[in-house]
Amino acid sequence: DIVMTQSPDSLAVSLGERATINCKSSQSVSYSSNNKNYLAWYQQKPGQPPKLLIHWASTRESGVPDRFSGSGSGTDFTLTISSLQAEDVAVYYCLQYYSPLPTFGQGTKVEIK
Amino acid sequence: EVQLVESGGGLVKPGGSLRLSCAGSGFTFSNAWMNWVRQPPGKGLEWVGRIKSIPDGGTTDYAAPVKGRFTISRDDSKNMVYLQMNSLKIEDTAVYFCSTGLFLDYWGQGTLVTVSS
Repeated sequence: DIVMTQSPDSLAVSLGERATINCKSSQSVSYSSNNKNYLAWYQQKPGQPPKLLIHWASTRESGVPDRFSGSGSGTDFTLTISSLQAEDVAVYYCLQYYSPLPTFGQGTKVEIK
Repeated sequence: EVQLVESGGGLVKPGGSLRLSCAGSGFTFSNAWMNWVRQPPGKGLEWVGRIKSIPDGGTTDYAAPVKGRFTISRDDSKNMVYLQMNSLKIEDTAVYFCSTGLFLDYWGQGTLVTVSS
């Protein structure tokens, strides 16, 4: 199985400041044949199902604010919230779907400092 | 609007069985790959398994902790996907979500399964 490791486990950021979450895979999740990175990011608020924010590592879902961006390739990926808003308090997960057995990172809790 | 509604959760004893259902609407269900994901109370997300669309072979894949005990099936005439869970263990206690597609773009609200004596 591909192991996904997120860092940090939690972070506290002031309103309007940048939040950066990292996700590292135990093997590459990129296909050279199509140049795609099989990596998605989700936001989960308490009592709610996860919400897809980004897929193909950097493609933002329709309706997701542009303060959310994804980057990276191969084994190292980043989710950036450029200017943290109060409504962004949540747990964020990465997911690799390169393998027939997708795997999630352990989650990163984002709070307001 | 895409909607996914899970049902069938509840309390079951260790070693017991339970079947979860997920009803989909607002999209072409027959073309969709359908996933099950679970989340133990207070913990992270775990992908459980998936069934591909019939045009893509209708095959299933399962995570190691549930392989051989859980079975996913689908009924495209009813826009339903099922998760048959047998030989349940305490560690299977979780909220179970169904989700669509290769990268899990839409999710239901989940149904709670509690395995306890």
